[in-house]
Amino acid sequence: QQQVKQSPQSLIVQKGGISIINCAYENTAFDYFPWYQQFPGKGPALLIAIRPDVSEKKEGRFTISFNKSAKQFSLHIMDSQPGDSATYFCAAPTTSGTYKYIFGTGTRLKVLA
Amino acid sequence: DAGVIQSPRHEVTEMGQEVTLRCKPISGHNSLFWYRQTMMRGLELLIYFNNNVPIDDSGMPEDRFSAKMPNASFSTLKIQPSEPRDSAVYFCASSYPGSPLHFGNGTRLTVT
Repeated sequence: QQQVKQSPQSLIVQKGGISIINCAYENTAFDYFPWYQQFPGKGPALLIAIRPDVSEKKEGRFTISFNKSAKQFSLHIMDSQPGDSATYFCAAPTTSGTYKYIFGTGTRLKVLA
Repeated sequence: DAGVIQSPRHEVTEMGQEVTLRCKPISGHNSLFWYRQTMMRGLELLIYFNNNVPIDDSGMPEDRFSAKMPNASFSTLKIQPSEPRDSAVYFCASSYPGSPLHFGNGTRLTVT
């Protein structure tokens, strides 16, 4: 069964620091690689996503870096804030065009004030 | 836009009882997904529908689980009979071609 390996499991960062979360995928459809943010009691919400024809995408303090040859992509949160404390999931599509996604196991981020 | 609406938010039931979870996708979305989230296994895809038709139910754990989508605005996930190991948060998500998944806020199921 296809897997998406996400690391670290948990991360503690000081306010203003950089949070980095990594994901590695196996063979997959090259459609769209999203990151989701989940707060307690809520469903995952799309944070940022990248298509594999670009190596980097930035939206505000959030950046995705994509390495197609290594089958890896990462999320960077610059100037981390206490409000960023949440669980983050990466996901990779398994079948082109159907948006059937396999999710990583999640990273619990805590940003200290 | 009301988002994906799931009900109930919480369900507590006894082992052996039937449980029905409900989902209303975002209007205009033609794909619907049911996920289960646990600490041990993370987010698992149970089944997904495209244009109300089940496309892939390979993630449904057992015959005790069934899902239906009678129309574009409603889906159910049923567990009969329920077991304690079914305790989890069940999420419904919807999308349309070119869009990301939009998740509801989930149903927390506890089977005692």
